[in-house]
Amino acid sequence: QKEVEQDPGPLSVPEGAIVSLNCTYSNSAFQYFMWYRQYSRKGPELLMYTYSSGNKEDGRFTAQVDKSSKYISLFIRDSQPSDSATYLCAMADSGGSNYKLTFGKGTLLTVNP
Amino acid sequence: DVKVTQSSRYLVKRTGEKVFLECVQDMDHENMFWYRQDPGLGLRLIYFSYDVKMKEKGDIPEGYSVSREKKERFSLILESASTNQTSMYLCASRKITEAFFGQGTRLTVV
Repeated sequence: QKEVEQDPGPLSVPEGAIVSLNCTYSNSAFQYFMWYRQYSRKGPELLMYTYSSGNKEDGRFTAQVDKSSKYISLFIRDSQPSDSATYLCAMADSGGSNYKLTFGKGTLLTVNP
Repeated sequence: DVKVTQSSRYLVKRTGEKVFLECVQDMDHENMFWYRQDPGLGLRLIYFSYDVKMKEKGDIPEGYSVSREKKERFSLILESASTNQTSMYLCASRKITEAFFGQGTRLTVV
């Protein structure tokens, strides 16, 4: 079983839709969870960061972590064409010097005007 | 804002050449990373460094080496470039938990 599973999509939605992106993981030691947005031919850009379980909201974006189910989600409200990108989930088990991020393979999202 | 800068956006090199990819961060971060990103394979960790002159192998270190002489600079070296090293290379740095990426270097080996 892969450590982090993410549906690669592609996902195509109309402008204004609510988008739900998800990752599942197998390592119960993960406690730091991140979402990155990556535009074509660019580096990943940090969108949301969550420690342990719970929700975090930032504008149109909401990140949710359910550690009991080993499941994380990113919701995008009122999606815009500028949200079209690949979304990567990432997680880590430690903030110490041996920190390594484990990534999902990314979901390609297209928001159509 | 954190800035991670990679020296080149696009690079074309010949098979067998020694290739240097440079990365500089401006936020005094202890930890720096090199990844490669390939379609269908996602991001794979090549090497990371948690302090000056300290390095650790990642998941795919074969054919690569790194250098960290100064805290702000982390270099990836392809000792003898091969066509299977054609890829997008991404540098990242972090202080506590979140990692910040550079814009990437698209390397083509011909």
